[in-house]
Amino acid sequence: KAGVTQTPRYLIKTRGQQVTLSCSPISGHRSVSWYQQTPGQGLQFLFEYFSETQRNKGNFPGRFSGRQFSNSRSEMNVSTLELGDSALYLCASSLAGAGDTQYFGPGTRLTVL
Amino acid sequence: GESVGLHLPTLSVQEGDNSIINCAYSNSASDYFIWYKQESGKGPQFIIDIRSNMDKRQGQRVTVLLNKTVKHLSLQIAATQPGDSAVYFCAETLGAQKLVFGQGTRLTINP
Repeated sequence: KAGVTQTPRYLIKTRGQQVTLSCSPISGHRSVSWYQQTPGQGLQFLFEYFSETQRNKGNFPGRFSGRQFSNSRSEMNVSTLELGDSALYLCASSLAGAGDTQYFGPGTRLTVL
Repeated sequence: GESVGLHLPTLSVQEGDNSIINCAYSNSASDYFIWYKQESGKGPQFIIDIRSNMDKRQGQRVTVLLNKTVKHLSLQIAATQPGDSAVYFCAETLGAQKLVFGQGTRLTINP
């Protein structure tokens, strides 16, 4: 069974631009969660989607948004990029949510210049 | 509050020795705990998990211990190998909808 895939793997943007990251979960998994990982803050929860509905959201500004499609694939969008948004963005999928084992993708490394 | 922390940011062990990585959590209501391993350039990889109704669980070369009295979690790795070098994260679930991660411990293996 294929693992969680994320595209693109690397991205370079400039301040003020927006970016869209994509995540394809493991087949059969309906929950997709997004995390931001930085050296200073560690792994921080962004949001979680299940059956196309956002069930939970972390403490991030409204510039961070996401969605989930009927095939469980998910995208997250960051608008008006800031230097501090440079991070590794990780996607994790599970059958039904955080109470199940979450499997992570390799991440998208975003650099904002 | 939401807080999962690690006692030591770095741990260095001799190859073949056992490693013990510790983690403290603050929410006594958390009911599911997970250990992840993250190698450079990769996403976190699931190692082992434990639910709050257990105090010990064993996997292949790894054991997780849960002490709910003092809200402490530990990961024991037997016969540590060079391939075990990585950053290890503990995580807990709050509300079964998100994971709260600790800051991580970097495990280094000395030959």
